[in-house]
Amino acid sequence: AAGVIQSPRHLIKEKRETATLKCYPIPRHDTVYWYQQGPGQDPQFLISFYEKMQSDKGSIPDRFSAQQFSDYHSELNMSSLELGDSALYFCASSLGLRQQETQYFGPGTRLLVL
Amino acid sequence: ELKVEQNPLFLSMQEGKNYTIYCNYSTTSDRLYWYRQDPGKSLESLFVLLSNGAVKQEGRLMASLDTKARLSTLHITAAVHDLSATYFCAVVLNYGGATNKLIFGTGTLLAVQP
Repeated sequence: AAGVIQSPRHLIKEKRETATLKCYPIPRHDTVYWYQQGPGQDPQFLISFYEKMQSDKGSIPDRFSAQQFSDYHSELNMSSLELGDSALYFCASSLGLRQQETQYFGPGTRLLVL
Repeated sequence: ELKVEQNPLFLSMQEGKNYTIYCNYSTTSDRLYWYRQDPGKSLESLFVLLSNGAVKQEGRLMASLDTKARLSTLHITAAVHDLSATYFCAVVLNYGGATNKLIFGTGTLLAVQP
């Protein structure tokens, strides 16, 4: 079965550079979530989209922005990167906002900021 | 603010033994998930528990939910080395469907020794 696709899988950037992470949800899934997981930490919710509209916002820095496109893929744009942004970034998708829908996670993008 | 706590944080156990991981959460929720994460890998959905008294089993793992006590347990029976991983519980806030963001527990690192 098709899973959530994230690209790139690994990314190395310098401080103050920008980065764009992409997420392609499972076919027919219309809801996308972004999570950040620091080393040895639990995943932290950043932002979510449902039907191309932002549905919730968590602890996402103002330097980050995201959107969901007409084909339901999503991009997380990160500017003025800091060392502390080094983390594993997961995208998850689900079908709608119905109560019983499980979020399926992608393989993650490992970002290293030097 | 919803807080989710797991214990223990680290668990070293011998093959063939039984043990339980506990997940406590601080506010009302009617959905709780258990995920497994191997080092550097994505989050694999194990169970979703939707109601008080729900019990689900898959292989050597069994999960239960007590919404009144705000407690979920993940019981491991006759552990094998392949179960070594980090296990997260995650709770959805009771927004009535407006958002499904997951609040993760601190994670339990399980190491099964031969």
